[in-house]
Amino acid sequence: NAGVTQTPKFQVLKTGQSMTLQCAQDMNHEYMSWYRQDPGMGLRLIHYSVGAGITDQGEVPNGYNVSRSTTEDFPLRLLSAAPSQTSVYFCASSYSRGGAVKETQYFGPGTRLLVL
Amino acid sequence: SQKIEQNSEALNIQEGKTATLTCNYTNYSPAYLQWYRQDPGRGPVFLLLIRENEKEKRKERLKVTFDTTLKQSLFHITASQPADSATYLCALEDGNAGKSTFGDGTTLTVKP
Repeated sequence: NAGVTQTPKFQVLKTGQSMTLQCAQDMNHEYMSWYRQDPGMGLRLIHYSVGAGITDQGEVPNGYNVSRSTTEDFPLRLLSAAPSQTSVYFCASSYSRGGAVKETQYFGPGTRLLVL
Repeated sequence: SQKIEQNSEALNIQEGKTATLTCNYTNYSPAYLQWYRQDPGRGPVFLLLIRENEKEKRKERLKVTFDTTLKQSLFHITASQPADSATYLCALEDGNAGKSTFGDGTTLTVKP
């Protein structure tokens, strides 16, 4: 199993540009989520999904869109990048014991985004 | 919303000693609580999970306690080694909402 994979590993954007951060998992997990981590801080939830076709907002959703057309993939779209979105982005997946209940989260290696 | 506080940003201890990290929360008691390890430049890695009806959980040199009265979890690493140096994150899970809340982490440095 590759686990959770994320691409790209590093990206530089100019203010106003858009891009999609890719996330895929091969563990057949129903639950997937996106977090951002700023220096010296913990993870803040951006969006999450409890299954294909279902997404919901987390703590800091503004400026980001997600979709979940398959169980495996959960891309994160930045609509119009801003310097405040400079951060490290982590995707995670977990087994769900029905609905939103989940346990151990498996994290990807992260995407480092710099917005100039 | 749930607030989490992890004790001091940094903890320095001598090899062989026991490291104790604290995670305090302010609102409702979560269905369960998890501890993760994060190394520089990498994603968090799951270590232990403890449920609200469990007092203590152990895994090798790791021990987690959960006190819903104090709204606190303690994470212990016994016989610490330099390889234990990392940032440790606690995460609270609202069992029904599907949302996780993470603390800011405590960076542990074990000196030889």
